[in-house]
Amino acid sequence: GAGVSQSPRYKVAKRGQDVALRCDPISGHVSLFWYQQALGQGPEFLTYFQNEAQLDKSGLPSDRFFAERPEGSVSTLKIQRTQQEDSAVYLCASSYALRGNQPQHFGDGTRLSIL
Amino acid sequence: AQSVTQLGSHVSVSEGALVLLRCNYSSSVPPYLFWYVQYPNQGLQLLLKYTTGATLVKGINGFEAEFKKSETSFHLTKPSAHMSDAAEYFCAVSGAQGAQKLVFGQGTRLTINP
Repeated sequence: GAGVSQSPRYKVAKRGQDVALRCDPISGHVSLFWYQQALGQGPEFLTYFQNEAQLDKSGLPSDRFFAERPEGSVSTLKIQRTQQEDSAVYLCASSYALRGNQPQHFGDGTRLSIL
Repeated sequence: AQSVTQLGSHVSVSEGALVLLRCNYSSSVPPYLFWYVQYPNQGLQLLLKYTTGATLVKGINGFEAEFKKSETSFHLTKPSAHMSDAAEYFCAVSGAQGAQKLVFGQGTRLTINP
């Protein structure tokens, strides 16, 4: 596809359920990032992949959050035993280069609501 | 460590007026600086970036920004506002080495009055 694709666009879950959010990066993009954007806030970094290797997961808020990119393309962010504070928009971004001077291209996000 | 401060969570200007959105950053390494725009229920779209070279950078939709190292600033401007500029604007910083996460400011909501 032409851009970063995220699915689902909207997800409603009950507290305690597990959820999985998918990101399809731009074809050929080596770097993939996940961000969390709370209502009225700027995005905050969660984790970063270079191909299939997860090089930085310092932003994951707890061990309930898990991300993978097994074949170096599609990535999944999984949240176990969801809590109300997990409600946010989850943004995925990809970049074709390894250096920070290349811009990150963002998907439209998944809006997660925990009831 | 890096951080970004955007002065003014809301800015309102008249159509045709100058737009000025302020961004100050803190970085222990040479920074790369970015401005992104976000429309409702959409992801972030890159407006412009500064990496190296010319400190005045031009972006899409008539926006430009100037990197001022001495002031640790990267303010975004547009000479004449258009109704379609109404959106949320985010300033972000990353490190200059390797693929780096973006650190974002809190955002500035720009409203255009007719």
